[in-house]
Amino acid sequence: AQSVTQPDIHITVSEGASLELRCNYSYGATPYLFWYVQSPGQGLQLLLKYFSGDTLVQGIKGFEAEFKRSQSSFNLRKPSVHWSDAAEYFCAVAFYNTDKLIFGTGTRLQVFP
Amino acid sequence: DTAVSQTPKYLVTQMGNDKSIKCEQNLGHDTMYWYKQDSKKFLKIMFSYNNKELIINETVPNRFSPKSPDKAHLNLHINSLELGDSAVYFCASSHPGTSGSSSYEQYFGPGTRLTVT
Repeated sequence: AQSVTQPDIHITVSEGASLELRCNYSYGATPYLFWYVQSPGQGLQLLLKYFSGDTLVQGIKGFEAEFKRSQSSFNLRKPSVHWSDAAEYFCAVAFYNTDKLIFGTGTRLQVFP
Repeated sequence: DTAVSQTPKYLVTQMGNDKSIKCEQNLGHDTMYWYKQDSKKFLKIMFSYNNKELIINETVPNRFSPKSPDKAHLNLHINSLELGDSAVYFCASSHPGTSGSSSYEQYFGPGTRLTVT
């Protein structure tokens, strides 16, 4: 079955430290890949997406993600985290010829000053 | 100039009642969705409509009935509310299936927190 896994439920980092959030998917072909962020009490905002081409994609707020086909992964990174990055992060995939987004279980990011 | 809006933001009601949540998008998108986010933050699609036509119905109890009067609106009506319906409901919209980078990119509303007591 198609699935998305975010192995880290909760991550804590210090402000200014680097960040990597993991995402793996299970599917026979390459899906469309997304990262969304949800701040407390807010809706979801799209950070970045991958459809094809360059496997390193840049997004908003200084985030980037790298698609690795061999590992079925699409990890999110940021070189220096800001306190305002504290939020819930969701990886999502859409499979070819379907409108359905399948979300991972989310990773809660906490940032300490 | 909100792209995807939902009303109400909060909804508190008793078991057995019937309630509706409204969603509107001004992005000109063809497809709209309803998602449910449970207490553990897990997001799952419930329905999608394309140009007022139901496309996805994900094993949702028939107490939930989406209605799309036009392609800019998708409302969610819930009959006989149960405790387990308590969740945050998100509306989203997109231009699915078209060529280009906007394919499958979904824009979300702020959510409606439903509490059933």
